[in-house]
Formats: sequence, C-alpha cells, structure tokens
Amino acid sequence: DAKTTQPPSMDCAEGRAANLPCNHSTISGNEYVYWYRQIHSQGPQYIIHGLKNNETNEMASLIITEDRKSSTLILPHATLRDTAVYYCIVRANNNDMRFGAGTRLTVKP
Amino acid sequence: GAVVSQHPSRVICKSGTSVKIECRSLDFQATTMFWYRQFPKQSLMLMATSNEGSKATYEQGVEKDKFLINHASLTLSTLTVTSAHPEDSSFYICSARWGSGNTIYFGEGSWLTVV
Repeated sequence: DAKTTQPPSMDCAEGRAANLPCNHSTISGNEYVYWYRQIHSQGPQYIIHGLKNNETNEMASLIITEDRKSSTLILPHATLRDTAVYYCIVRANNNDMRFGAGTRLTVKP
Repeated sequence: GAVVSQHPSRVICKSGTSVKIECRSLDFQATTMFWYRQFPKQSLMLMATSNEGSKATYEQGVEKDKFLINHASLTLSTLTVTSAHPEDSSFYICSARWGSGNTIYFGEGSWLTVV
C-alpha cells in the first residue's frame, strides 16, 4: 500500500521555483520524509530528508507541515537538468526504502 | 562521486543462461543491501533485502531460487538471475545502507536484456 501520494506529473519553467507536493497522512512519529529523484536510465539520487523541521541543502528545500501529514520539495531555480521523476518516501530508520509512482517533473525552456 | 557501484551497467545474455550483477559500496561498509527491479515507465520494485553473512529476505512474489542474492562481505552483494528469460529483461538497481542510520545510497543500475 502506498504511504505517500504525489501528482503524476508537473511542469515548471526554467529558472523558476519548482514546488513538488507530497501527502503522507498516515506517517508515524518515527518516520522520516525522504526525497529522491531519478533521471532517465539512472539510479535514484538522494535529494534531502527531514523529520519535522524544514531542511535545506545545496540541492533543495524541504518544507514539512506542522502536523507532518504533507510536505513540499522546493527546487529554487529549476534547470533543464532537473527534469526527472521525483519520489517522496516515508521511512523509519533501519527500514527499507519503498517507492511509489512519483512525480514526473518536466522543466521547460 | 558514486558511493555505490554496479557492474556491469549493461548486459545481454541468451535465454536459459545465468547472469550475475555486482553491487559494491565504495567508501563504506554496508550492513544491508537492497535489490530493486524497474520495468520501463514503472517505479522501482523492491525484490529483496540482504544482510551481510545471512540469507536474503525476498519480497512476496519474487522467486528466491531464480534471483540468487549473495552478500558475502560488507562491501559486495551479488544478484544472479538464473535461467534467464526475456521477461526478466529489466533495469536492476541496488542500494546500500551505511550503518544503522538514515543514509541509503543507490547504484547506477544495470540493464539486463535477455534474448
């Protein structure tokens, strides 16, 4: 059973911020929110993860709602190379990583 | 740079033969490794979880006698597809967990084509 819900596809203009939503209404207290992306014919690439606080790194920002039932991945200035399938995954430590369908983000010039 | 490496990246084998895919953690000791399969335009499906020195745990519907997994060391896991059939053609991806924490790294994937 899918633990996260994401829109199947999104478009974003190059240079603009890409905001990718994820619903995880059944998340448990010990589960983290992870984001990975997969560019065509490659293995998944780690982007960011968080528990309850917002997180930022050189790739993206992760905004988690106070009730932790949803989150948003923000790519501040999308480039054509950010075109990929983005996966939102909830996972507790020591557990495996299970993928849903993800969101296919297309960055357009 | 990649911290998990797979080899080969692409392999073509004849139907009925066996093929082995290697997954190596390059800069860390991986207590647990995971194997996934991905068909075109689909998501990654977890096949099995392997812990160093013990038997792999297979997901429901994955034939353990067909997909042999060996995790003999903390830096190497292998997946052997035995008696391969064209329907086994797929993108196989491994990942490795560092220690008991959060970090899981993925390999670059291996394309298997069975002809």
